[in-house]
Amino acid sequence: GAVVSQHPSWVICKSGTSVKIECRSLDFQATTMFWYRQFPKQSLMLMATSNEGSKATYEQGVEKDKFLINHASLTLSTLTVTSAHPEDSSFYICSAKDRETEAFFGQGTRLTVV
Amino acid sequence: KNQVEQSPQSLIILEGKNCTLQCNYTVSPFSNLRWYKQDTGRGPVSLTIMTFSENTKSNGRYTATLDADTKQSSLHITASQLSDSASYICVVRVYGNNRLAFGKGNQVVVIP
Repeated sequence: GAVVSQHPSWVICKSGTSVKIECRSLDFQATTMFWYRQFPKQSLMLMATSNEGSKATYEQGVEKDKFLINHASLTLSTLTVTSAHPEDSSFYICSAKDRETEAFFGQGTRLTVV
Repeated sequence: KNQVEQSPQSLIILEGKNCTLQCNYTVSPFSNLRWYKQDTGRGPVSLTIMTFSENTKSNGRYTATLDADTKQSSLHITASQLSDSASYICVVRVYGNNRLAFGKGNQVVVIP
């Protein structure tokens, strides 16, 4: 199946700093990428949808200035958590799809803000 | 509102035993339903996908069923192994767009 790679797998950062998470589609061109957030024992919550070359569409309640999403190429999208706070600590997962296939998930990134 | 409800929330089973997980949904219009396995600290991995016309789909020891009339699906795990310990997530795609409705998952723990 298609491979979606996220980096890093885990990251610890200090409050107030920014963290960038990368999502890459390794063997297909991802026209659409999705970013999710998952709290323990909860379902995945869609944060935003990004299409290559255009601005991301954010879900209600998600601050676009805090969670910056860039989808500059067909194989790479990035999520930057700006001015991170402890409440931003969570599991962040991306998924990617092309026009023909279902979306495939990355392996997730565990963010801990201390 | 498109919702996906899964039950039981969690269960513990003995290695080698079978178990069945349930998923009820209210998503409309319906496109397809997927079962994912999510290991702790990892992203979801697809097990099965079923469209409206499919009643059952197998992937090794995993067998999914779908009743589109009653909007119910199940995932049956046969001869469970310790590596089956994970969260199993039911995901329903809304027809006509890219939106997915996620269940909270069934947390399965297989013990020796």
